Amino acid sequence: DTEVTQTPKHLVMGMTNKKSLKCEQHMGHRAMYWYKQKAKKPPELMFVYSYEKLSINESVPSRFSPECPNSSLLNLHLHALQPEDSALYLCASSQILAGGTDTQYFGPGTRLTVL
Amino acid sequence: GENVEQHPSTLSVQEGDSAVIKCTYSDSASNYFPWYKQELGKRPQLIIDIRSNVGEKKDQRIAVTLNKTAKHFSLHITETQPEDSAVYFCAARSSGSARQLTFGSGTQLTVLP
Repeated sequence: DTEVTQTPKHLVMGMTNKKSLKCEQHMGHRAMYWYKQKAKKPPELMFVYSYEKLSINESVPSRFSPECPNSSLLNLHLHALQPEDSALYLCASSQILAGGTDTQYFGPGTRLTVL
Repeated sequence: GENVEQHPSTLSVQEGDSAVIKCTYSDSASNYFPWYKQELGKRPQLIIDIRSNVGEKKDQRIAVTLNKTAKHFSLHITETQPEDSAVYFCAARSSGSARQLTFGSGTQLTVLP
């Protein structure tokens, strides 16, 4: 399996809802990432997990809560989001190579709309 | 931290012509430079990457060149086809940056039939 999968593909939620995004990979990658992408902009890094431990949190508001239950799964829990949080949420994974030259592979994303 | 600038922001070429997109980076410790293609509503897909111990890499109609002295790298697409139309992002990673890729702002490439 050479793919990163994400569910759901689309999500519409109100500002008081709690929802979760899910990401899965079976490539044996030990680094997993969450990105947020607005239209016509590059992906913005939110979180990085290395060996199932959170290694980077790019000053993301606490209404976004990541979780890495095991080496294949990555979740993003959403609570009390704002309309400006509407975006494409991308998951990615990579090996962990010395020198940082590992390639990141992206999932198809979850299109989130906050009403 | 790393800063990546990408030009041009939009590029239109006739089918069969070549397209060149250029990026510059600021951190001399950067050692990995991928290029991603993103079609509308789709995921970014890696099309080619280059590591700092190599000056040029080619894969069929796509090539990337790296000039470490000048801190710039370029994507070259030859014999462009309409299906090459997409947004292209360059990125760079510093060897000391704990896995963080810094992306350029993107180039919308349109190949006119």
